[in-house]
Amino acid sequence: EVQLVESGGGLVQPGGSLRLSCAASGFTFSTYWMHWVRQAPGEGLVWVSRISSDGSSTTYADSVKGRFTISRDNAKSTLYLQMNSLRAEDTAVYYCARRTIAAAGGGFDYWGQGTLVTVSS
Amino acid sequence: DIVMTQSPDSLAVSLGERATINCKSSQSVLYSSNNKNYLAWYQQKPGQPPNLLIYWASTRESGVPDRFSGSGSGTDFTLTISSLQAEDVAVYYCQQYYSTPYTFGQGTKLAIK
Repeated sequence: EVQLVESGGGLVQPGGSLRLSCAASGFTFSTYWMHWVRQAPGEGLVWVSRISSDGSSTTYADSVKGRFTISRDNAKSTLYLQMNSLRAEDTAVYYCARRTIAAAGGGFDYWGQGTLVTVSS
Repeated sequence: DIVMTQSPDSLAVSLGERATINCKSSQSVLYSSNNKNYLAWYQQKPGQPPNLLIYWASTRESGVPDRFSGSGSGTDFTLTISSLQAEDVAVYYCQQYYSTPYTFGQGTKLAIK
């Protein structure tokens, strides 16, 4: 059974840092591109970042570029999101999501339950 | 960035009736090399992560009931629920995965009339 389990969320002051983790199981993690998507309370879904299957390629939304860093450890089947210089507008539930291989359509077929990040003084 | 605009923002439909949600992209998401539209639909129920319903604009994900269907091409897309069931109450999002950032529509809240 495919599982994605996020952790690392919490309350942080503006300007602070957090590192989110997403532990994957039930599939060959190293063959999938992975993504982070966030959702502010009561709001819609916003794509944040992606990383290639081998970790060599990363892409970010403009709103987090230069502040967030996505990475992965394929040996540990874990995805990370290092978040620095956090702002109030970064407050959201952060989901990790698996993108299907291109031949299987390319949508995000598995999502974690999310971890809440609250940026407030 | 490709802007995704859904309509309506909210919708109330009677049980057993048809529900239709529209999604328009600011530029085409049709990939010419394989003639596939890089457009997905997700369902999100309260307190849960999104659930993939449709990919390539019209292909139903495994396990999704056949009352859900997707159509459209280029910039205009539709999600149809042919006969609304109580468990379909949710927010529905379209998403383009043609180019980063992989933008979502603002969501359509579906309720029972």
